[in-house]
Amino acid sequence: SQKIEQNSEALNIQEGKTATLTCNYTNYSPAYLQWYRQDPGRGPVFLLLIRENEKEKRKERLKVTFDTTLKQSLFHITASQPADSATYLCALSSSASKIIFGSGTRLSIRP
Amino acid sequence: DTAVSQTPKYLVTQMGNDKSIKCEQNLGHDTMYWYKQDSKKFLKIMFSYNNKELIINETVPNRFSPKSPDKAHLNLHINSLELGDSAVYFCASSQGAVYNEKLFFGSGTQLSVL
Repeated sequence: SQKIEQNSEALNIQEGKTATLTCNYTNYSPAYLQWYRQDPGRGPVFLLLIRENEKEKRKERLKVTFDTTLKQSLFHITASQPADSATYLCALSSSASKIIFGSGTRLSIRP
Repeated sequence: DTAVSQTPKYLVTQMGNDKSIKCEQNLGHDTMYWYKQDSKKFLKIMFSYNNKELIINETVPNRFSPKSPDKAHLNLHINSLELGDSAVYFCASSQGAVYNEKLFFGSGTQLSVL
């Protein structure tokens, strides 16, 4: 069955460092990969979408890579700030399948 | 104005009761969804409507019945609530029903069945 795994349930890093979150998938050939941010008590908020034929996508301090050979996406936040603390969800979709979500990585940025 | 709004925010009820959650979007989107987020934070799709037509109906107990009176509204009615129904339910919308559409979520309804 299709499976999405996001590295470690929680990630703690020092302010100013680059946070790197991982999304791995198996038994799936997604055409699109999305990243969302979810704050406590709120719904997920869309951040970035990357297509299977794109290697990298950037938006301000955010960078996403998509490696269909490794079946992995990396999500980077450079110059991290305490306000970046949240849970980050990856989501995959293809023409044959609805969007499916990973369980998320809880990121904490300490001052 | 909130783009996707759902009510109530919290719902505490006894087993066996019937309850409804309402959702409205003012984004002009054609597609709306209900997702369930369990205690392990997995978001699982339950239903999707495109222009008031049901297009996704996952393996969900018949006790759950969605209703879309128009494309801006999608309600979820749950009959005979069970302990296992306790979760956070999210309404979402997207411009279309294409699989690469980004989703806009409401703030969730935390359902607790006692």
